[in-house]
Amino acid sequence: NAGVTQTPKFRILKIGQSMTLQCTQDMNHNYMYWYRQDPGMGLKLIYYSVGAGITDKGEVPNGYNVSRSTTEDFPLRLELAAPSQTSVYFCASSQGTATINEQFFGPGTRLTVL
Amino acid sequence: GNSVTQMEGPVTLSEEAFLTINCTYTATGYPSLFWYVQYPGEGLQLLLKATKADDKGSNKGFEATYRKETTSFHLEKGSVQVSDSAVYFCAFISNFGNEKLTFGTGTRLTIIP
Repeated sequence: NAGVTQTPKFRILKIGQSMTLQCTQDMNHNYMYWYRQDPGMGLKLIYYSVGAGITDKGEVPNGYNVSRSTTEDFPLRLELAAPSQTSVYFCASSQGTATINEQFFGPGTRLTVL
Repeated sequence: GNSVTQMEGPVTLSEEAFLTINCTYTATGYPSLFWYVQYPGEGLQLLLKATKADDKGSNKGFEATYRKETTSFHLEKGSVQVSDSAVYFCAFISNFGNEKLTFGTGTRLTIIP
């Protein structure tokens, strides 16, 4: 079991460029999440999904898009990168609702937008 | 609105010292409470949780008790080790089903031999 994997580990983007952060889990979890972690701050929820074909906005969705075509994959798309999107991005998954189920996190992607 | 306030770091302790990291929350209803730990270069891992008032979560020698009257969930460990050096996050989720974990800003803990 690899758990939750994320690629790439690091990326530098220029303003206006686009990219996709990849997230894959092999635990057959229905729920998946994307968070961002800014320096000295807690994590903030960007988007989440409760199953293939279903996505919903979190606390800070502006500037991002997601899709969930399979149970395993939950990519995060940045269309027009801005310096405010410089952050560490974490993907997570859980068996069911986060109210009672543990979330398993990937190792993160450190993104810098210059 | 909903928020978590936890002890600001960094916190530096000697090995075998007693640890307390304070955490208080502001939430509606009866949230579930969590402590997550982030070791260097890794993602967050669930350390312990409590889902109702007076529950005590425990794991790896760490404990925290859900105190509804003081809206607190302080993390404690009787004797810390060098391997406990990490960043600790207090978090909660409302039981109204919106899937949004609210995190504190994290407390960096360093244990020196």
